[in-house]
Amino acid sequence: KNEVEQSPQNLTAQEGEFITINCSYSVGISALHWLQQHPGGGIVSLFMLSSGKKKHGRLIATINIQEKHSSLHITASHPRDSAVYICAVRPAGSARQLTFGSGTQLTVLP
Amino acid sequence: NAGVTQTPKFQVLKTGQSMTLQCAQDMNHEYMSWYRQDPGMGLRLIHYSVGAGITDQGEVPNGYNVSRSTTEDFPLRLLSAAPSQTSVYFCASSYRLRGPGELFFGEGSRLTVL
Repeated sequence: KNEVEQSPQNLTAQEGEFITINCSYSVGISALHWLQQHPGGGIVSLFMLSSGKKKHGRLIATINIQEKHSSLHITASHPRDSAVYICAVRPAGSARQLTFGSGTQLTVLP
Repeated sequence: NAGVTQTPKFQVLKTGQSMTLQCAQDMNHEYMSWYRQDPGMGLRLIHYSVGAGITDQGEVPNGYNVSRSTTEDFPLRLLSAAPSQTSVYFCASSYRLRGPGELFFGEGSRLTVL
């Protein structure tokens, strides 16, 4: 069983919709990352968080350490948000390594 | 700053051949790492380094060697390529020494082993 589970695996939305991608993990962690992988393959870091909530533009990431759950929200979605969104956790006992989810493929239609 | 530069972008090898994937960063990051990405699976850590002269194994190290002679460079070597090593490889670096902070990724290298 993967230590990091993302849902949904695939998501199609209409432009303007509010989008939520979920990440659940099974181990204690010291930090959680959200990454975006563009259709061309490049990966960029969106957020790193260990508690609470972070916001950058139309993107919001939240984490609930007690429930071992994080969400990535996209407000007013746009076709350029189409990408794979990847959750990764830094296990508390393995500070130098990350465990990755398999990603959520998001397609935003105009 | 160029960020993380990874070469080559594409490579086709025959079984048993050797090659080196190059990774360089110009951000003075202590932490560097190599991942492979396979369909339906998350990124998996191959090897990582927390500074020049220091390397360690990740989740899937077999068949790969690394070295870190300088802060900037972290090459990944395949000594005898196997079809199971067909994958997309990413190099990533981070500033924080004590565990990866914000990660900066190279553009990826698509390797096919025939």
